[in-house]
Amino acid sequence: AQTVTQSQPEMSVQEAETVTLSCTYDTSESDYYLFWYKQPPSRQMILVIRQEAYKQQNATENRFSVNFQKAAKSFSLKISDSQLGDAAMYFCAYRTQAYKYIFGTGTRLKVLA
Amino acid sequence: DVKVTQSSRYLVKRTGEKVFLECVQDMDHENMFWYRQDPGLGLRLIYFSYDVKMKEKGDIPEGYSVSREKKERFSLILESASTNQTSMYLCASSLPVAGRSNQPQHFGDGTRLSIL
Repeated sequence: AQTVTQSQPEMSVQEAETVTLSCTYDTSESDYYLFWYKQPPSRQMILVIRQEAYKQQNATENRFSVNFQKAAKSFSLKISDSQLGDAAMYFCAYRTQAYKYIFGTGTRLKVLA
Repeated sequence: DVKVTQSSRYLVKRTGEKVFLECVQDMDHENMFWYRQDPGLGLRLIYFSYDVKMKEKGDIPEGYSVSREKKERFSLILESASTNQTSMYLCASSLPVAGRSNQPQHFGDGTRLSIL
């Protein structure tokens, strides 16, 4: 069975600095998709960035980028120029070939002014 | 934009009650999901549905059932609520994932359910 591990329950970053959130996963599938979601205090989960396992190029969305290491089964999220609005819970998710999404336990990001 | 609407943001019920949580999406998505979210445990899949009247058990289906009579609506049912079902419940929807599709899930605002 697939698993997703986020080993950092909480992280802090100074405003305007860069922070990296870690995510590792375990799977025997060769084709899959990975996502990072953000859940602000308002509670609605919002997609931050997605990565297809068959693509070697790391995904980038403005200040958000990933470091996807398929062999190491690692999918970290880098947030550049952190802003107060980035404060939230961040969840890493893996989508299986059978429609299911498996989520990590989340990392709470605090942004310090 | 996709809109996923959950009927209540907060709900308080008593043990033994039958509880209905409703979820409606407006983007004609085939797939719909119910999760519960607990601190330190992340999101755990309860049930999902990839078509009307179709349902699949997720990782923690015990004590729950679902209904999908119409494509846009996916209901979660607690047959006899218990205190260990106090949690945040999240509904999500997505397009089908046939082939190489990176379609994400779209989430509702969540229902915080307390069972007394």
